[in-house]
Amino acid sequence: GQSLEQPSEVTAVEGAIVQINCTYQTSGFYGLSWYQQHDGGAPTFLSYNALDGLEETGRFSSFLSRSDSYGYLLLQELQMKDSASYFCAFCSGGYQKVTFGIGTKLQVIP
Amino acid sequence: KAGVTQTPRYLIKTRGQQVTLSCSPISGHRSVSWYQQTPGQGLQFLFEYFSETQRNKGNFPGRFSGRQFSNSRSEMNVSTLELGDSALYLCASSLDGFSGANVLTFGAGSRLTVL
Repeated sequence: GQSLEQPSEVTAVEGAIVQINCTYQTSGFYGLSWYQQHDGGAPTFLSYNALDGLEETGRFSSFLSRSDSYGYLLLQELQMKDSASYFCAFCSGGYQKVTFGIGTKLQVIP
Repeated sequence: KAGVTQTPRYLIKTRGQQVTLSCSPISGHRSVSWYQQTPGQGLQFLFEYFSETQRNKGNFPGRFSGRQFSNSRSEMNVSTLELGDSALYLCASSLDGFSGANVLTFGAGSRLTVL
């Protein structure tokens, strides 16, 4: 089957660093994406890893290890506005059938 | 440019009724996909359309259907509503539908409540 696993909740302090892990299982794999969704808002794309390694976009970085079927999203210099749900996702087919993880609710506290 | 527009934003229906939701993708985007989001299940893929053709379908009953028009606008329909259909229905568009998970732009969603 196809699935992704990620922690349901994470709490971190403003200014700190937090890592959200994601493990996946699929028969076909094109890459791992991360989306952010604030309460009441739409998911928005954050990052995508097609190859192994680290991708950095400002305060956010994402990592992928295909051999371990594992990735993570790293958020640095946490701000209160980073409080949101974060979803890992993959597209295992040629078309846009995207499977999402259950989402990790990040709470940033002062 | 305008984003993905979904209408209506909120609606309340009763069991047994049917509902139609609309999605206008970003101009030039030809792929439209639909997702159901609930607190316990996360985002579940419903179906994806490209050039008026359904190319992928998720594991939902036949009560859930959709279509896409020649201008790429899409509608989804849920018939014989059940309480469990209460959810946020999200539409996402992408340019060509072949580029993997990194190109989805979501609308704000239609929140359906079934009483």
